[in-house]
Amino acid sequence: NAGVTQTPKFQVLKTGQSMTLQCAQDMNHNSMYWYRQDPGMGLRLIYYSASEGTTDKGEVPNGYNVSRLNKREFSLRLESAAPSQTSVYFCASSESNPRWNSPLHFGNGTRLTVT
Amino acid sequence: SQQGEEDPQALSIQEGENATMNCSYKTSINNLQWYRQNSGRGLVHLILIRSNEREKHSGRLRVTLDTSKKSSSLLITASRAADTASYFCATGFDRGSTLGRLYFGRGTQLTVWP
Repeated sequence: NAGVTQTPKFQVLKTGQSMTLQCAQDMNHNSMYWYRQDPGMGLRLIYYSASEGTTDKGEVPNGYNVSRLNKREFSLRLESAAPSQTSVYFCASSESNPRWNSPLHFGNGTRLTVT
Repeated sequence: SQQGEEDPQALSIQEGENATMNCSYKTSINNLQWYRQNSGRGLVHLILIRSNEREKHSGRLRVTLDTSKKSSSLLITASRAADTASYFCATGFDRGSTLGRLYFGRGTQLTVWP
């Protein structure tokens, strides 16, 4: 049972380039999330999807877009990368609707550097 | 900020000792969760305590919640070198636009020496 799988593990971009971070879960969870983790800042929510077909903004959505492709997959897109988006990105999933704050299952992260 | 704040930022102990980490928050919560993160890995859920609970146990973990003081503590008994990790509290809120979001603190880095 793989849980939450993120690709790629590492990525280096130049300012202005675009890329999509992929995330898939095999636990049949309804909700999926994208967080970023910066030193000294804890984890901050970028976007989440309470169910297939819905997405909502989190704390720091600017500069990002998301797609809930199906129940398993939730992608994060950077259209024009900026150095401020250098971070570690984590995808997570939970069994039930976010309003119930059920435990999150995290992937191992994508380490993104924007030069 | 609605984040929980962990204290201390770093904790260094010997194997066999107990480790206590604290989390404080500012507004009314629905529940509070603790997570562990090993270096270079994702977070792993440890325990969830609801606002109407005062204490929960899971193996060597003991979590308390004091809603009057808006604080929680995580106790790891008989620590092992394998417990070396960062520990985060995450608070879930019960009203308004924050419904459905978990807010994470900055974490406590625990080092357990053999």
